[in-house]
Amino acid sequence: GQQVMQIPQYQHVQEGEDFTTYCNSSTTLSNIQWYKQRPGGHPVFLIQLVKSGEVKKQKRLTFQFGEAKKNSSLHITATQTTDVGTYFCAGPDSGYALNFGKGTSLLVTP
Amino acid sequence: GAGVSQSPSNKVTEKGKDVELRCDPISGHTALYWYRQSLGQGLEFLIYFQGNSAPDKSGLPSDRFSAERTGGSVSTLTIQRTQQEDSAVYLCASSFQRGAGTDTQYFGPGTRLTVL
Repeated sequence: GQQVMQIPQYQHVQEGEDFTTYCNSSTTLSNIQWYKQRPGGHPVFLIQLVKSGEVKKQKRLTFQFGEAKKNSSLHITATQTTDVGTYFCAGPDSGYALNFGKGTSLLVTP
Repeated sequence: GAGVSQSPSNKVTEKGKDVELRCDPISGHTALYWYRQSLGQGLEFLIYFQGNSAPDKSGLPSDRFSAERTGGSVSTLTIQRTQQEDSAVYLCASSFQRGAGTDTQYFGPGTRLTVL
């Protein structure tokens, strides 16, 4: 079945440094979604990408969907301590559920 | 309600006992999902409900796990004869069902299950 892989598993940065997490699918995706989970919290939707090559920005966060619609990335510019958490990408499963990657845990040191 | 609610927030049980976890989705959401998240791990899909259609049970790890959704709203996930490996956070999510895998999922706070 379709699998979604994320790298790196963990990332520790100093506040102000940039951060990128990558998501790769074994199959072409109709869309990809990104979620953020704060420590002790639940996943919260960030964004959905649908079009090949699409780039969307949310303040310091930049999301990209690959031309082949099999990979995606999330880049955070000048990280802040509020960015701490685990970032998940998710693609549609064969049915209606989402297939989540294992996530990238970001730790930001002041 | 304003968001997805789950109860209890924490559940400690003894190995071999049955447990029931409850999810109350956002009003008007026709799709409901259960996931399991073990410590430091990703989300493992368990089961999906859409309206009155037969649920997608493809993610249930064993026949000790079952779920139902009454009246197209509240859902209960039941784990029979719990085992220590069942310890995890069980997350429920709901969404408007506009299309396959295109919906934003809204997650509840989860139930942390600990099996001693």
